Amino acid sequence: AQKITQTQPGMFVQEKEAVTLDCTYDTSDQSYGLFWYKQPSSGEMIFLIYQGSYDEQNATEGRYSLNFQKARKSANLVISASQLGDSAMYFCAMSPNSGYSTLTFGKGTMLLVSP
Amino acid sequence: GAVVSQHPSRVICKSGTSVKIECRSLDFQATTMFWYRQFPKKSLMLMATSNEGSKATYEQGVEKDKFLINHASLTLSTLTVTSAHPEDSSFYICSASTEPEQFFGPGTRLTVL
Repeated sequence: AQKITQTQPGMFVQEKEAVTLDCTYDTSDQSYGLFWYKQPSSGEMIFLIYQGSYDEQNATEGRYSLNFQKARKSANLVISASQLGDSAMYFCAMSPNSGYSTLTFGKGTMLLVSP
Repeated sequence: GAVVSQHPSRVICKSGTSVKIECRSLDFQATTMFWYRQFPKKSLMLMATSNEGSKATYEQGVEKDKFLINHASLTLSTLTVTSAHPEDSSFYICSASTEPEQFFGPGTRLTVL
């Protein structure tokens, strides 16, 4: 079974600053995929970034980067230069076999960006 | 990215009635569709996985007779909440998968009075 833990129910950051959202995972699979999604108040799930368990380099997508530490089983999301529009719920998720199949989600972290 | 639509976006119904939610992949064919349920301030919980032309696979604890899933084509999956009760009120989100990616619909907020 796979498990995702997000220990930060809420985070505050000032505009233009960087913020790290924590995510740890537990799995017995050798091959798996890690994801981050953003959910604004509208409810839609927006894909942000993906990291495969065998990817040697940390994934980056624009202002988002994933700090993947395999030995620690952590996959923290780093948002650089926060914007007001980044205020949302953020979910870490994982899937087996490095694919985009069944996702197991963490409980989420609410990020609030202040001016 | 690819677009997944859900209809309706909001629905209010009386207790005991059935509600159908549609999930469509608009510009791609989805081999697999997933249905999730989200309670307020909670994470998404996978309810079931459906593959076109075959029976859905339900997660443990999800009543298959209450949450009927039909994956009629490669672009359409429906979730029917039968004999809805207030405890079924929730936010239901579908996603559609075309390897290697998965795309989420905008969600349907169901309120059962």
